[in-house]
Amino acid sequence: AQSVTQLGSHVSVSEGALVLLRCNYSSSVPPYLFWYVQYPNQGLQLLLKYTSAATLVKGINGFEAEFKKSETSFHLTKPSAHMSDAAEYFCAVTLYSSASKIIFGSGTRLSIRP
Amino acid sequence: DADVTQTPRNRITKTGKRIMLECSQTKGHDRMYWYRQDPGLGLRLIYYSFDVKDINKGEISDGYSVSRQAQAKFSLSLESAIPNQTALYFCATSDPDRLADNEQFFGPGTRLTVL
Repeated sequence: AQSVTQLGSHVSVSEGALVLLRCNYSSSVPPYLFWYVQYPNQGLQLLLKYTSAATLVKGINGFEAEFKKSETSFHLTKPSAHMSDAAEYFCAVTLYSSASKIIFGSGTRLSIRP
Repeated sequence: DADVTQTPRNRITKTGKRIMLECSQTKGHDRMYWYRQDPGLGLRLIYYSFDVKDINKGEISDGYSVSRQAQAKFSLSLESAIPNQTALYFCATSDPDRLADNEQFFGPGTRLTVL
């Protein structure tokens, strides 16, 4: 069965610094991977997704993630953090044959220091 | 206008009460889902429905029931609410024609507190 592990429940960076949120997955077959963002008092919004095309995926708001099969990772990065990036971020995995079921990680709360 | 709406947005109730959370969507998607979110646990799937006649249990369905009244409406019921059902509940939809990427679209959530 597939699973997702997000390392670090809380990450704090300074404004302008690099953002790195870690995600490792477990899957017996090639997965589809997602990053969702949840701003305060809102639902989840898709940031980006990997669906077996390019391994480097670019998303909204300057975020990107790289699929590394050898490391079973899909870490999320942004070169320069902005105050508006403060939110909770969820990594998720699904399989083509899983009938649309998505498995979410436990989430990482990103805080931005002025 | 939001594509996926949930009502109510906030609800406080007492142990033993029956509660219904409603979800409506204008995306025209056949597939709908109910999740609960708890701090440190991410989102967990309660029930999902692929069409009006197809309803399936998720990983944490005990204590919950659902009704798919129409393609656009999917309701979640707590027959007898208990305090550990206090959580943030999300409805989501997906398009079966986009099965290849399984992207789901979420409502704004319902915050439920059971006293």
